[in-house]
Amino acid sequence: QKEVEQNSGPLSVPEGAIASLNCTYSDRGSQSFFWYRQYSGKSPELIMSIYSNGDKEDGRFTAQLNKASQYVSLLIRDSQPSDSATYLCATGEGSYIPTFGRGTSLIVHP
Amino acid sequence: GAVVSQHPSWVICKSGTSVKIECRSLDFQATTMFWYRQFPKQSLMLMATSNEGSKATYEQGVEKDKFLINHASLTLSTLTVTSAHPEDSSFYICSARDRRRTDTQYFGPGTRLTVL
Repeated sequence: QKEVEQNSGPLSVPEGAIASLNCTYSDRGSQSFFWYRQYSGKSPELIMSIYSNGDKEDGRFTAQLNKASQYVSLLIRDSQPSDSATYLCATGEGSYIPTFGRGTSLIVHP
Repeated sequence: GAVVSQHPSWVICKSGTSVKIECRSLDFQATTMFWYRQFPKQSLMLMATSNEGSKATYEQGVEKDKFLINHASLTLSTLTVTSAHPEDSSFYICSARDRRRTDTQYFGPGTRLTVL
């Protein structure tokens, strides 16, 4: 069974710092990886997708993928209190049911 | 980005009644839709996978006769909670996979169900 592991946190960082969120996955054949943000009481929102080894940047967000280590991370630069949320890592492609991690709670304090 | 809507956004019903939740992909065709439920401060729990024109595949422990799923078109899936009870109160969230981008899953805003 495919598994995605995340530290539940909470991860607490000061405003303006870099928040680093990590995720490992069990299926070496996984090709597609996603980061979602979920605010309390809301549904998940797609932030980033990444398919190739290396870094992918979008604004303040950088996703990093290392398939050899089966490791995905999300960096948030210049963290803001509005970034405080639960971040979900997921993998899944084609006909496969997507697999989600349990999420990491991020708290950005002023 | 792709937009998925859900209706209603919240519903309160009496125990024993049935509630239907609609999930629509507004600007894309969805090959597959997923239904999740989430209890407060807990992770997403996949209930079922729905493919257009075929029967839904339910996860272990989810009663298919209680949670009826219909995926009548490439843009609409419905979840009906039959004979709802207070323990069915939860946040129900659908998601849809874009047919053009088979990997990416977009979530609806969710439906908060309260059964009295």
